[in-house]
Amino acid sequence: IAGITQAPTSQILAAGRRMTLRCTQDMRHNAMYWYRQDLGLGLRLIHYSNTAGTTGKGEVPDGYSVSRANTDDFPLTLASAVPSQTSVYFCASSSQTSTGELFFGEGSRLTVL
Amino acid sequence: GQNIDQPTEMTATEGAIVQINCTYQTSGFNGLFWYQQHAGEAPTFLSYNVLDGLEEKGRFSSFLSRSKGYSYLLLKELQMKDSASYLCAVKDSNYQLIWGAGTKLIIKP
Repeated sequence: IAGITQAPTSQILAAGRRMTLRCTQDMRHNAMYWYRQDLGLGLRLIHYSNTAGTTGKGEVPDGYSVSRANTDDFPLTLASAVPSQTSVYFCASSSQTSTGELFFGEGSRLTVL
Repeated sequence: GQNIDQPTEMTATEGAIVQINCTYQTSGFNGLFWYQQHAGEAPTFLSYNVLDGLEEKGRFSSFLSRSKGYSYLLLKELQMKDSASYLCAVKDSNYQLIWGAGTKLIIKP
């Protein structure tokens, strides 16, 4: 069981370039999320999707976009990367249980120069 | 504003017990989570509390007091593999998760 797969694992990117972080899950979870994690800060929600075909903005959505064409895939796009977007990005999905705990991908470490 | 506070770093000895505290101020409450995150890895779910009291799961226990806006994670019989960051998160009235910055736990032999 793969769970959630993210790609790439790590990427160095020049400022101004476009970048898409891929996320795929095989658990048939309806809800999916993109977080960024920066040193000394809690996980911050960028965008989320409660079900295929719908998306919503989180706490820090500026500079990012997402799409949810089907249940399994939830890509995150940086249209024009800036150095402040250097971070570790985690994709997650939530279970259908009453707790709704999150399952995370292994993360994508992005450096924007 | 919404806020989750937990200590930045704690040190404990192998075989001992450690308590990691979390206090929160959120708009509404729909549950509190603890996650474990080893360095360079993804967070993994540890526990969930929605009612006051203690939830025990093996060597790990989590306590919640909603009236005090307070939770703790108790780790017993510490092992070196418990060295990790422990993240506290609260689900607010909109069912959005608010995350603390995490507590880095260092276990010494």
